[in-house]
Amino acid sequence: QSVLTQPPSVSAAPGQKVTISCSGSNSNIGNNYVAWYQQLPGTAPKLLIYDNNERPSGIPDRFSGSKSGTSATLGITGLQTGDEADYYCGTWDSSLSAVVFGGGTKLTVL
Amino acid sequence: QVQLQESGPGLVKPSETLSLTCAVSAYSISSTYYWGWIRQPPGQGLEWIGSIYHSGTAYYNPSLKSRVTMSVDTSKNQFSLKLSSVTVADTAVYYCARCVYGRHKVVQDYWGQGTLVTVSS
Repeated sequence: QSVLTQPPSVSAAPGQKVTISCSGSNSNIGNNYVAWYQQLPGTAPKLLIYDNNERPSGIPDRFSGSKSGTSATLGITGLQTGDEADYYCGTWDSSLSAVVFGGGTKLTVL
Repeated sequence: QVQLQESGPGLVKPSETLSLTCAVSAYSISSTYYWGWIRQPPGQGLEWIGSIYHSGTAYYNPSLKSRVTMSVDTSKNQFSLKLSSVTVADTAVYYCARCVYGRHKVVQDYWGQGTLVTVSS
């Protein structure tokens, strides 16, 4: 089991909005910044969001992040078929002294 | 733009040592970033292996710490991973990445394309 909990899958229609949750504890999400990664099929993960809600250069503002307490959320608006991918949350766990990831969420754009 | 490229044997025998190298281009490995390894077993999620600074300071996943050694070669602008006593459970795609460390955060902002390492006799 992963330290961070994500739903295995989510789906929505093109143009719609979807959210992906990431649940943790005080030792990880509760006291550290969260990042989100997008992994398109057959490719390496790519940084999508860092510091809970910041987007690296080149990431469209359709992608957003938020954090509340021990949970974080990734939001994607204006869904496109090209957004079909696995999405992972990640953060530092102060108790484990390790980077931890969620189990990943597969997004299907119907 | 930073580029990272993993290299090493694609097949390792059980009980032997897995060795991988990550070549960094368009950026100095001696900068103020850490450099790390993450792996992904087939069809599964991501697992952090560890990170290293150019000074040699390293942080390892406690679950792998007894088997992991990382090193940096600043003259070649590359860093390496050694994982000893491998089993079939170590079969995975291994990624190298640049890591941003800060107060209350670790972020992998650039990733290599990954290399599949299979452990099999």
